[in-house]
Amino acid sequence: GAGVSQSPRYKVAKRGQDVALRCDPISGHVSLFWYQQALGQGPEFLTYFQNEAQLDKSGLPSDRFFAERPEGSVSTLKIQRTQQEDSAVYLCASIPLGAHYGYTFGSGTRLTVV
Amino acid sequence: KNQVEQSPQSLIILEGKNCTLQCNYTVSPFSNLRWYKQDTGRGPVSLTIMTFSENTKSNGRYTATLDADTKQSSLHITASQLSDSASYICVVIPRSSGGSYIPTFGRGTSLIVHP
Repeated sequence: GAGVSQSPRYKVAKRGQDVALRCDPISGHVSLFWYQQALGQGPEFLTYFQNEAQLDKSGLPSDRFFAERPEGSVSTLKIQRTQQEDSAVYLCASIPLGAHYGYTFGSGTRLTVV
Repeated sequence: KNQVEQSPQSLIILEGKNCTLQCNYTVSPFSNLRWYKQDTGRGPVSLTIMTFSENTKSNGRYTATLDADTKQSSLHITASQLSDSASYICVVIPRSSGGSYIPTFGRGTSLIVHP
């Protein structure tokens, strides 16, 4: 596709429920990033993939957060046993390999935990 | 910890007026600095990208400046329009020998342009 696609756009989850957020990067983009953006805040880094390899997951706030990119294209961010503090917009961005200029962001998934 | 601080936190101006947003950073060494515009409910969209050797970069009514010595950047918006109402985020990309360029984001400045 022409841009980074994220789904769903909105997700309401009951506390304790598991959720899965999907990111379709731009075709051919090797690097993929996940960010968490709380209301009124800038995006906070969660994790980074280069192809299928998860090179950095230092930003994942707890072991309830898990990300994968098994075939080096689509990525899924999974949150287990959601809590209210997980409510945020989850942004995905992709860039071509070595091109540290062209970050393209998706529109994000707004997760609300009730 | 590398940090990016933006000011003001929020700003309200009248349509047609100019404004300047500030960004101070401690990321070092850095590869490049970017300004993004984020409309409500959308992902950030790149406005300008500057390497450490560039002092200024323009994109239409947006002009970014960079002083790598003082680690400061500014984004100047000329003749503001209602559509400029958004959050403006300063992002610094560290120079990494490992090849992974993980950005550090500021919290953004929320700009509201009133008619």
